Amino acid sequence: AQSVTQLDSHVSVSEGTPVLLRCNYSSSYSPSLFWYVQHPNKGLQLLLKYTSAATLVKGINGFEAEFKKSETSFHLTKPSAHMSDAAEYFCVMSGGGADGLTFGKGTHLIIQP
Amino acid sequence: NAGVTQTPKFQVLKTGQSMTLQCAQDMNHEYMSWYRQDPGMGLRLIHYSVGAGITDQGEVPNGYNVSRSTTEDFPLRLLSAAPSQTSVYFCASSYSIGVAASYEQYFGPGTRLTVT
Repeated sequence: AQSVTQLDSHVSVSEGTPVLLRCNYSSSYSPSLFWYVQHPNKGLQLLLKYTSAATLVKGINGFEAEFKKSETSFHLTKPSAHMSDAAEYFCVMSGGGADGLTFGKGTHLIIQP
Repeated sequence: NAGVTQTPKFQVLKTGQSMTLQCAQDMNHEYMSWYRQDPGMGLRLIHYSVGAGITDQGEVPNGYNVSRSTTEDFPLRLLSAAPSQTSVYFCASSYSIGVAASYEQYFGPGTRLTVT
């Protein structure tokens, strides 16, 4: 069965410190993987995507993610958190689900001043 | 391009009332979908469409109807609103879906629905 697990429902970091949001996936084939961000009362916006071209993917606003097939992971990182990064983050996999997409349940990122 | 637009932004209904949430996209995307977002549950797929005239059920279709008469529009109808349908509804569109599809989904800004 296809699944996406976001390992933390909430992550709290101080401004200026690194951010790590963890995502594991389970798939019987090589999926495409996405990270989306949702700011309060907004729709979802694409941060970055992995489509098998390169395992280290750079996205917008200084975020990047590394696809590790051996660990079935696609963790999202940022070297230095900014207050504007406070939002909900979703890891999404193509394949699986009625519409071909499998969503993680989301990680709420809190930035402490 | 306006992208994906949704109307209304907010709506309050009484139990038993019906209404239609509108969704439109101007990117000529074949694939459109409706999700609901509830606290702690992420996004759950209600219905989706892979092209004009073709719709199918998602994970939580009960109480909702859809139709797709044009590529651009994908309205979601609540037949008889219930308090359990209080949620935030998102419409999304994409060029394609399926195994290993690499096309991103474009999301609308959402409709916040309260059923009393």
